[in-house]
Amino acid sequence: QAHLVQSGAEVRKPGASVKVSCKAFGYSFTSYYMHWVRQAPGQGLEWMGMIDPTGGSIDYAQRFQGRVTVTRDTSTDTVYMELSSLRSEDTAVYYCARDRKVRGVFNGMDVWGQGSTVIVSS
Amino acid sequence: DIQMTQSPSTLSASVGDSVTITCRASQSISGWLAWFQQHPGKAPKLLIYKASNLQSGVPSRFTGSGSGTEFTLTISSLQPDDFATYYCQQYYSFWTFGQGTKVEIK
Repeated sequence: QAHLVQSGAEVRKPGASVKVSCKAFGYSFTSYYMHWVRQAPGQGLEWMGMIDPTGGSIDYAQRFQGRVTVTRDTSTDTVYMELSSLRSEDTAVYYCARDRKVRGVFNGMDVWGQGSTVIVSS
Repeated sequence: DIQMTQSPSTLSASVGDSVTITCRASQSISGWLAWFQQHPGKAPKLLIYKASNLQSGVPSRFTGSGSGTEFTLTISSLQPDDFATYYCQQYYSFWTFGQGTKVEIK
């Protein structure tokens, strides 16, 4: 059974950085892209970025360019998302979600991690 | 950036009702649209991909349709577990979610 396990809750001060991990189980890690999506308290879903675990190519949402870094470690089937220069508005639940690309077409984010809470507070 | 707008923001219904949620894109996205369901405190769940394809394991009472800029999600015969928030998402150009539609018990 494919599933994603994320790291635990984090508390950071404004201006600091946070790195969240997402470990894949039960499927071929390199066969699926991995997205990061966040959700602020009481708000909707916001796409942050995506990585191709095979070649490492990455896309980021424009509003996070320069502040977010997504990496992967194929030896441990883990993807990481690091967000820097944190501000209170970055307080949110951060999710990873896998997505398969078949013949150039994405098929949807079908497996999600449990979410990692990041609180930014002085 | 492509903007996604859902309506209504909140929908009140009873068990057994049929409900429809609309999602509009700010430009044509062909059929590159997904629908998700989210219960409070839980991760989203993929229901529909490529506008009308039912994800494996999702009940057939969920139906997606549309293309271009207008899409709908219909839930026929609402069940207790269907009371949740629903999001559309385009993946024609990067990924963008709608603001969500909360389906609540009347």
